[in-house]
Amino acid sequence: DAGVIQSPRHEVTEMGQEVTLRCKPISGHDYLFWYRQTMMRGLELLIYFNNNVPIDDSGMPEDRFSAKMPNASFSTLKIQPSEPRDSAVYFCASSLGGGRQPQHFGDGTRLSIL
Amino acid sequence: GENVEQHPSTLSVQEGDSAVIKCTYSDSASNYFPWYKQELGKRPQLIIDIRSNVGEKKDQRIAVTLNKTAKHFSLHITETQPEDSAVYFCAADPGSGDKLTFGTGTRLAVRP
Repeated sequence: DAGVIQSPRHEVTEMGQEVTLRCKPISGHDYLFWYRQTMMRGLELLIYFNNNVPIDDSGMPEDRFSAKMPNASFSTLKIQPSEPRDSAVYFCASSLGGGRQPQHFGDGTRLSIL
Repeated sequence: GENVEQHPSTLSVQEGDSAVIKCTYSDSASNYFPWYKQELGKRPQLIIDIRSNVGEKKDQRIAVTLNKTAKHFSLHITETQPEDSAVYFCAADPGSGDKLTFGTGTRLAVRP
């Protein structure tokens, strides 16, 4: 079975540019999570969806960050405008049944903002 | 909200020795406690989990114990091997929601 698929794997862009990260969850999973990982802050939950509906976006750092899930097989995380402090690895994960069920992570997007 | 503390932050053991990583949580309603292993440059992967209706669970060389009264749980790795070297994260569900709160991670190094 295909796991969670993220694209791109690496992104390098200049400050001020718009960045769009993409995620395809495991088919049939009803929860999708976006995380950010840095050395300083560890693994932070940014936002999660249940049945394509955003449930909790309290981890989104600023209005520059937005996330959408237009259908059950696709989600995007957008940063506009990007800043150097946004440099991190962004992971998408999905699960069947929410926080009390195993989460399956994608390979992540390593984002570098110059 | 849920707060998960993890110790130690780094751990170095000799190959063949045991390693123990401990986590505490704050929400007494939590009942799901997974452990993830993340190798360098890779994604976190679930290695074992435990629910509040059991006190211990084993899978070959790894085991997890849970003490609900004290609100702490631990990962035990026996007969460590160099391929066990990675960062390990504990997590807990907040009891009232659908998300997980992760610990800050333990970097385990197994010396050959």
